[in-house]
Amino acid sequence: EVQLVESGGGLVQPGGSLRLSCAASGFTFSSYAMSWVRQAPGKGLEWVSLIVGSGASTYYADSAKGRFTLSRDNSKNTVYLQMNSLRVDDTAVYYCAKGGWGSYWYFDFWGRGTQVTVSS
Amino acid sequence: EIVLTQSPGTLSLSPGERATLSCRASQSVSNSYLAWYQQKPGQAPRLLIYGASSRATGIPDRFSGSGSGTDFTLTISRLEPEDFAVYYCQQYGTSPRTFGQGTKVEIK
Repeated sequence: EVQLVESGGGLVQPGGSLRLSCAASGFTFSSYAMSWVRQAPGKGLEWVSLIVGSGASTYYADSAKGRFTLSRDNSKNTVYLQMNSLRVDDTAVYYCAKGGWGSYWYFDFWGRGTQVTVSS
Repeated sequence: EIVLTQSPGTLSLSPGERATLSCRASQSVSNSYLAWYQQKPGQAPRLLIYGASSRATGIPDRFSGSGSGTDFTLTISRLEPEDFAVYYCQQYGTSPRTFGQGTKVEIK
């Protein structure tokens, strides 16, 4: 059974940093791209970042470029999202999601999410 | 950026009725790379459909997807109580990959 468990969310002041983690199990982790998708309170879904299975390539939404860094440790079946220079509009539930079969870019399994709140 | 517009915003139906949800793209979605997700309150999204019409593993056959180009549809043939939720479409053929704003299916 595929499981994705996020951690690392919390309350941080504007300009601060957080590192989110996503521990995966139940599939061959290194064979799949992984993404983070966020959902602001009462809003829809926004893709944030993706890393391919080998870790060799990463992709970012414009809203995350230059501030967020996505990495993975295939020996630990874990992806990490380092978020710096956080802004109030980064407040959201952050979901870890597994890339689908045949394409990185749709998401066939999701974690339960971790709340990030940016506020002074 | 491809903008996805979902309609209606809210659909009020009774269990057993048919639900038809629309997702219209501002430009053609390449290779029909269109997915549908279901989200219930306080839960993560769940993949229903990918490639416009392929059902994800474990998804009941009352859910079906169709369409190509700029117009896509998710149909729920007979609503079950557990189907009342918010549904999102996503295009994943063109960067940046984008989601629609969602359609809420509520109990009438």
